[in-house]
Amino acid sequence: DAGITQSPRYKITETGRQVTLMCHQTWSHSYMFWYRQDLGHGLRLIYYSAAADITDKGEVPDGYVVSRSKTENFPLTLESATRSQTSVYFCASSASYEQYFGPGTRLTVT
Amino acid sequence: GIQVEQSPPDLILQEGANSTLRCNFSDSVNNLQWFHQNPWGQLINLFYIPSGTKQNGRLSATTVATERYSLLYISSSQTTDSGVYFCAVERMNRDDKIIFGKGTRLHILP
Repeated sequence: DAGITQSPRYKITETGRQVTLMCHQTWSHSYMFWYRQDLGHGLRLIYYSAAADITDKGEVPDGYVVSRSKTENFPLTLESATRSQTSVYFCASSASYEQYFGPGTRLTVT
Repeated sequence: GIQVEQSPPDLILQEGANSTLRCNFSDSVNNLQWFHQNPWGQLINLFYIPSGTKQNGRLSATTVATERYSLLYISSSQTTDSGVYFCAVERMNRDDKIIFGKGTRLHILP
């Protein structure tokens, strides 16, 4: 019973590189979310998905791309990483309102 | 968009003490959740409570939707209660999606 997992847990990349963060949930929840957590800003929503092939922007979507071809997966891609995207990224899933979070990915862009 | 304010920002208590954390929000909501982020970074869903009162062991929460605030009570604090407590809300029309407060950092001293 894995629940919701994220990979990698830690990633260091260089400015300008493309990087993809993976999120996988085993509950068949319809909703999935990506957040970033930064000191002084708390958690901010990047993108969310209400179902497979349905995605929408959150509060801070610029510089990020998402897809959801399968219900259980919701990858987040930084097409050209910038230092301002150094953060801790959390994925979450939900059947309706209550959200359940993955362990997070700490991304450093040098 | 909706504003979420949590107080106090920081709280230091002795083990065994009780505490009350507050979340004020600026608009009507149909989704309010409390989360605990432990010192290792994991986010745990504590309560989904858009209105009314719920209890789970030593923790309870009350939301007065008409007055736009929610309270989280922690009784007989333990060191494992340390961490950051977040309130997150979503407006009635769900246009803004979920917005997190900046959290209350709780430190329980042994």
